Amino acid sequence: DAKTTQPNSMESNEEEPVHLPCNHSTISGTDYIHWYRQLPSQGPEYVIHGLTSNVNNRMASLAIAEDRKSSTLILHRATLRDAAVYYCILRLDSGYALNFGKGTSLLVTP
Amino acid sequence: DSGVTQTPKHLITATGQRVTLRCSPRSGDLSVYWYQQSLDQGLQFLIQYYNGEERAKGNILERFSAQQFPDLHSELNLSSLELGDSALYFCASSLRAGSNTGELFFGEGSRLTVL
Repeated sequence: DAKTTQPNSMESNEEEPVHLPCNHSTISGTDYIHWYRQLPSQGPEYVIHGLTSNVNNRMASLAIAEDRKSSTLILHRATLRDAAVYYCILRLDSGYALNFGKGTSLLVTP
Repeated sequence: DSGVTQTPKHLITATGQRVTLRCSPRSGDLSVYWYQQSLDQGLQFLIQYYNGEERAKGNILERFSAQQFPDLHSELNLSSLELGDSALYFCASSLRAGSNTGELFFGEGSRLTVL
């Protein structure tokens, strides 16, 4: 599986935008980019995914570089509830399970 | 609420024992995944079933086994337990196996403590 690299931790102020980066320089043409997050004491939850174009949903936006070697998860206005570990995962076309890395631990301060 | 139900929520047992963790997937989901999360290893994929058949295997120990029943619920059996097996065990489900876009829905986990 192609690997992703994320910062171990990031910090943001409440109500400010947060940009969570992910590098995936060995991504293949059929890999989708998925983002999940895990709030304290809970199971992971789906955030967003994309292939080539930028994507928006009610939770976040996903900006994908033109060469697809990096992507950024954007939380438009961070809330205290967004404090979680965010995982950037590549999912192979022929793969089934998600292989989670270490993720980025996001701290949101009031 | 993801719709995925895991039991028990907490389990304390001794080394050498055997335990069974149970997972009921979301209604209509055919695929079930098991993950182990420990402090030092992070979230590790163990095994996946699709409509009763084993579909993919990850870092699952030989002491561990799983199955998916005709009603689609799944059980993860852990035997000859060791201290290092203490972890959170998550079950996830999705509608279709092999789909790049099918999101996984995770349960709240079963916390296993081996003393």
